[in-house]
Amino acid sequence: EDKVVQSPLSLVVHEGDTVTLNCSYEVTNFRSLLWYKQEKKAPTFLFMLTSSGIEKKSGRLSSILDKKELFSILNITATQTGDSAVYLCAGDSSNTGKLIFGQGTTLQVKP
Amino acid sequence: ETGVTQSPTHLIKTRGQQVTLRCSSQSGHNTVSWYQQALGQGPQFIFQYYREEENGRGNFPPRFSGLQFPNYSSELNVNALELDDSALYLCASSRTSTETQYFGPGTRLLVL
Repeated sequence: EDKVVQSPLSLVVHEGDTVTLNCSYEVTNFRSLLWYKQEKKAPTFLFMLTSSGIEKKSGRLSSILDKKELFSILNITATQTGDSAVYLCAGDSSNTGKLIFGQGTTLQVKP
Repeated sequence: ETGVTQSPTHLIKTRGQQVTLRCSSQSGHNTVSWYQQALGQGPQFIFQYYREEENGRGNFPPRFSGLQFPNYSSELNVNALELDDSALYLCASSRTSTETQYFGPGTRLLVL
């Protein structure tokens, strides 16, 4: 059965800290790995990763995929209170068009 | 904002009732996917519609059904509501069935 596991489930840091969020996956006919940020309701798209070893960056956020180890990480440097959110990772299966989500990591950034 | 809209934003129903949730996809998108997100959990895939046809379904019973219209907007219908159906229902649209999905703000359903 397809599954995505995220760790840690929750994290509390102070502004300026660097955090690393982890995502492991087992997805049949894997096509890509996606990261979303969910603050209140709508998950907002961060990254789509399809190739191993190629880092994607957007400001203070970056992410990389390891297709051999079935693993991805999301890094946030110099965290700000506005980074407080639930971070979701999802595996995309070409079989069905569905996204298989992990449970999410709740990040709280304290001033 | 993604351009994906959902209605209503929230509603309360009682067990056994039926509910219809609506989603308007982003302009230029022909695929809509529906997800159920229980409190503290990640979204669970319900089904996807591509060009008005169902294009994949998750582990949800038949009382969860859907439609996609020629303008690519979509409805999610749930019959015989149960308490466990209380959740945030998210719809996501994409340009095709293989491209990035962008989510709407969701409908929060409470079943009493």
